[in-house]
Amino acid sequence: DSGVTQTPKHLITATGQRVTLRCSPRSGDLSVYWYQQSLDQGLQFLIQYYNGEERAKGNILERFSAQQFPDLHSELNLSSLELGDSALYFCASSVWGNEQFFGPGTRLTVL
Amino acid sequence: GENVEQHPSTLSVQEGDSAVIKCTYSDSASNYFPWYKQELGKGPQLIIDIRSNVGEKKDQRIAVTLNKTAKHFSLHITETQPEDSAVYFCAASRSDGNKLVFGAGTILRVKS
Repeated sequence: DSGVTQTPKHLITATGQRVTLRCSPRSGDLSVYWYQQSLDQGLQFLIQYYNGEERAKGNILERFSAQQFPDLHSELNLSSLELGDSALYFCASSVWGNEQFFGPGTRLTVL
Repeated sequence: GENVEQHPSTLSVQEGDSAVIKCTYSDSASNYFPWYKQELGKGPQLIIDIRSNVGEKKDQRIAVTLNKTAKHFSLHITETQPEDSAVYFCAASRSDGNKLVFGAGTILRVKS
């Protein structure tokens, strides 16, 4: 158990809908990262927050957004969902620096 | 941007044998190289990492080597056990950006 929690574990929704994925980092970790894992793209970095502020952006679609709250939990919002958005979404956290610890993931299925 | 290539994509070994997975990276500014193990239905688990000021690091049956000149690093697992069966990912990052760029993964099967 990495200490990073993610909810929900599974999410099934329809095209065009909007969903919110939630992540709670390890106690004491200020940095949160979101990654997408799909069969064709592998593990891809989406976005990073540090202590409430956006720190780095990767290949994140404009339909996706994220935020980190004062209690350091983070939410990833996915809107206007398409079939191709079906994937595993992982959150990772770190104190600062490189060691990132991953949560169990949210499996999103868009029908 | 950074690109990480990982080989082989699948690896089958007999229990007790050694397994070696290799990765190459393109960004000479990368200086942190972790390895993750992912079991079915779980998130990636950090198993070992190495920074660019070190050539080799060992933790029990697992070791990682880094050749900065050639821009490649490798994971070595000795005395493999069935519970080592999983998907292994290498990754690279710069200390300033911190985002991890992952290889495509290696499916390791340890046959008993």
